[in-house]
Amino acid sequence: DTEVTQTPKHLVMGMTNKKSLKCEQHMGHRAMYWYKQKAKKPPELMFVYSYEKLSINESVPSRFSPECPNSSLLNLHLHALQPEDSALYLCASSQDQGTLAKNIQYFGAGTRLSVL
Amino acid sequence: SQQGEEDPQALSIQEGENATMNCSYKTSINNLQWYRQNSGRGLVHLILIRSNEREKHSGRLRVTLDTSKKSSSLLITASRAADTASYFCATLIQGAQKLVFGQGTRLTINP
Repeated sequence: DTEVTQTPKHLVMGMTNKKSLKCEQHMGHRAMYWYKQKAKKPPELMFVYSYEKLSINESVPSRFSPECPNSSLLNLHLHALQPEDSALYLCASSQDQGTLAKNIQYFGAGTRLSVL
Repeated sequence: SQQGEEDPQALSIQEGENATMNCSYKTSINNLQWYRQNSGRGLVHLILIRSNEREKHSGRLRVTLDTSKKSSSLLITASRAADTASYFCATLIQGAQKLVFGQGTRLTINP
């Protein structure tokens, strides 16, 4: 099973709402990632978890709050977002962040987020 | 700025023709990877080439890496309509434990 599952597929929220994005993998990977992607742009790294610990935070605003409850799950909690946060949010996993020679990332299909 | 710059930004060819995309980067790397993304979907890993390799093949894909010029190219031979997608190079920068993606090439294969 080389699948990364993201839910929901689509999400519309108001600027005062609180919502969460979920990501799950069962490949035994110990590194998980959140990316943000705007239309016709490359994915931009937001957060990296390695062995369930936050490893990289790319200076993401605090209205985005990541959580890694266990090695298979990754959440992204959203609160008080702005319209410019509308984007495709991608989750990915890899065998091990520190395995520099490999680090092939497996991506989910993404959550299309619209902030009104 | 993005580590990887790709050209062309967009490429449109006829089915059966070969497609070549190029990627340039700025700093020393451990490896360079190519990913494909169908419209609005997740990325799919295509091929990885290590910094000590010069060429790699996988099916209809051929990747070259020139570390002296800090550039790579992806060749797709005998293109098919299903190859229509965006293609991104991604570099694993020495000393960092993250991939940095290039701007991407949007490839359209016309039947």
